[in-house]
Amino acid sequence: QVQLVQSGAEVKKPGASVKVSCKASGYTFTGYYMHWVRQAPGQGLEWVGWINPNGGATNYAQKFQGWVTMTRDTSISTAYMELSSLKSDDTAVYYCARDLGNNLPGYWGQGTLVTVSS
Amino acid sequence: QTVVTQEPSFSVSPGGTVTLTCGLSSGSVSTSHYPGWYQQTPGQAPRTLIYSTKTRSSGVPDRFSGTILGNKAALTITGAQADDQSDYYCVLYMGRGIVLFGGGTRLTVL
Repeated sequence: QVQLVQSGAEVKKPGASVKVSCKASGYTFTGYYMHWVRQAPGQGLEWVGWINPNGGATNYAQKFQGWVTMTRDTSISTAYMELSSLKSDDTAVYYCARDLGNNLPGYWGQGTLVTVSS
Repeated sequence: QTVVTQEPSFSVSPGGTVTLTCGLSSGSVSTSHYPGWYQQTPGQAPRTLIYSTKTRSSGVPDRFSGTILGNKAALTITGAQADDQSDYYCVLYMGRGIVLFGGGTRLTVL
């Protein structure tokens, strides 16, 4: 079965960067896009972007262009999302979610809480 | 800037039927948007209920159904149960690789 296991919670200072990992198993890693979605405390879901593990092409939401970077390591079936120049309002749970084959997220990781605080 | 619209909140009685909708601030939702629906309870990751308009994810009971109603996507829950009390989010594929979530509907069962 599809499993996505994310890295643990992070606490960062404003201006720092954070890199969250998402290890996939139970399917062919290069066969499906991986989305990243975030959820600020008490707020809704916000799409950050996706990476195509087969080749590494990315597509970021306009809001995140310039300060998010998505990468992957196919040898260990792991996707990464790095956010730079963190601000306090980047405090959120960040989810990876495998595509269903229709350009939309379907299988979800457990989430990684990133707290930005001085 | 296109916005995906959902009712902020809804209430249903146990055993009742409720339809949540998902629209666009500009234009109509169609099957070409591959509308999907997620259920989320506090502290948990979202759970995929419906994708591509009406396909139920594995393990989702058939009292959850999706369709297009007029110019919106819709999620209908028939025979609502107490544990259906959750936040529900719709998602649309906007083309050119762009994904948009709705703001979510908080469903109360009482």
